[in-house]
Amino acid sequence: AQRVTQPEKLLSVFKGAPVELKCNYSYSGSPELFWYVQYSRQRLQLLLRHISRESIKGFTADLNKGETSFHLKKPFAQEEDSAMYYCALKKRSQGNLIFGKGTKLSVKP
Amino acid sequence: EAGVTQFPSHSVIEKGQTVTLRCDPISGHDNLYWYRRVMGKEIKFLLHFVKESKQDESGMPNNRFLAERTGGTYSTLKVQPAELEDSGVYFCASSPRGDRGLNTEAFFGQGTRLTVV
Repeated sequence: AQRVTQPEKLLSVFKGAPVELKCNYSYSGSPELFWYVQYSRQRLQLLLRHISRESIKGFTADLNKGETSFHLKKPFAQEEDSAMYYCALKKRSQGNLIFGKGTKLSVKP
Repeated sequence: EAGVTQFPSHSVIEKGQTVTLRCDPISGHDNLYWYRRVMGKEIKFLLHFVKESKQDESGMPNNRFLAERTGGTYSTLKVQPAELEDSGVYFCASSPRGDRGLNTEAFFGQGTRLTVV
């Protein structure tokens, strides 16, 4: 069965420190991977997707098929990055997303 | 342009009652999805509409849940009768038509928090 694993429930860092939110997936096919973010009192929104290979708000994520990982990274965390981050997978044959449990990122001043 | 809108934002009902959640997708989006997050668990897919047709309802937990999308516009999700384990946040998302949703971003509503007491 397809699964997305985010091992950290909570990640707490200081402002300016590097951040890495881990995401591993299990899927035998070729998936599309996404990171969604939910800021306090806001709706879930797309942060980035692996096919775009872009950096959004300083975040990047590289799909590593060998390790089946799609970790989210940012070299210098900012307080406004504090939010819930969800890694998600979409099978190419379907439209729905399969989510991980989410990681709450807390960036302290 | 308005985003995906969900009504109500909160609902508290007693076990055995009926509740209907509504989702208004972004205008012109053929794809509409329902998801649910129960306490401590991941956000789980419930079903997928393409226009008015149910494309995939493999995530619906049981026959107490009924989803409709009349005319391919807004959608409703009815829970009847509600049970305690139905408590959670119900999300709706919509996306433009694409080849099976490839390369199309899903836009989420703010969610409906359902509490069954």
